[in-house]
Amino acid sequence: EPEVTQTPSHQVTQMGQEVILRCVPISNHLYFYWYRQILGQKVEFLVSFYNNEISEKSEIFDDQFSVERPDGSNFTLKIRSTKLEDSAMYFCASSEIWAVSYEQYFGPGTRLTVT
Amino acid sequence: TQLLEQSPQFLSIQEGENLTVYCNSSSVFSSLQWYRQEPGEGPVLLVTVVTGGEVKKLKRLTFQFGDARKDSSLHITAAQPGDTGLYLCAGNTDSNYQLIWGAGTKLIIKP
Repeated sequence: EPEVTQTPSHQVTQMGQEVILRCVPISNHLYFYWYRQILGQKVEFLVSFYNNEISEKSEIFDDQFSVERPDGSNFTLKIRSTKLEDSAMYFCASSEIWAVSYEQYFGPGTRLTVT
Repeated sequence: TQLLEQSPQFLSIQEGENLTVYCNSSSVFSSLQWYRQEPGEGPVLLVTVVTGGEVKKLKRLTFQFGDARKDSSLHITAAQPGDTGLYLCAGNTDSNYQLIWGAGTKLIIKP
């Protein structure tokens, strides 16, 4: 069964450093998403991406964040200068454009720890 | 503000019992999804409901979407220890693609 994959599973970085989180969405999906979940808190929407541009973004997704689809398979989230409060699980998800309900399928997540 | 409120936040019951988890909002959702999340892992989609009044069954799990599409419930019959996990509801409205999430119900089934 096709699935969303994410790498790395765990990233430790120092405050102020740049990180790139990588995702390979399900191959025939055309909408891509990033979410984050701070330990013990709700899943929070960051950004959605379609046709090589951002469709929606939340208030969390400020100028420190960017997304890119560098090739036909990868979808990346870059945090330019990490802060302590960026420590969280980051989930990538994808969905089919023609799904009435926009069902989203999630990857296993990347645990980002900023020290 | 579109919110999804889940109740109860925490539920611990004995194996074999039945339970219902609720997901409520004052907003109308075009679809609502139920996920199950294990610690340290991503949410796994269980079901999507799109039509008011819709009922879907997944083995011992029964999902219902309210007639007005503002609420949903998950009922588990004869709960088993393998049902232990965090159950999340999430939905999207007609105006955006982002999923709006509930805070989840942490379910523990004791053998």
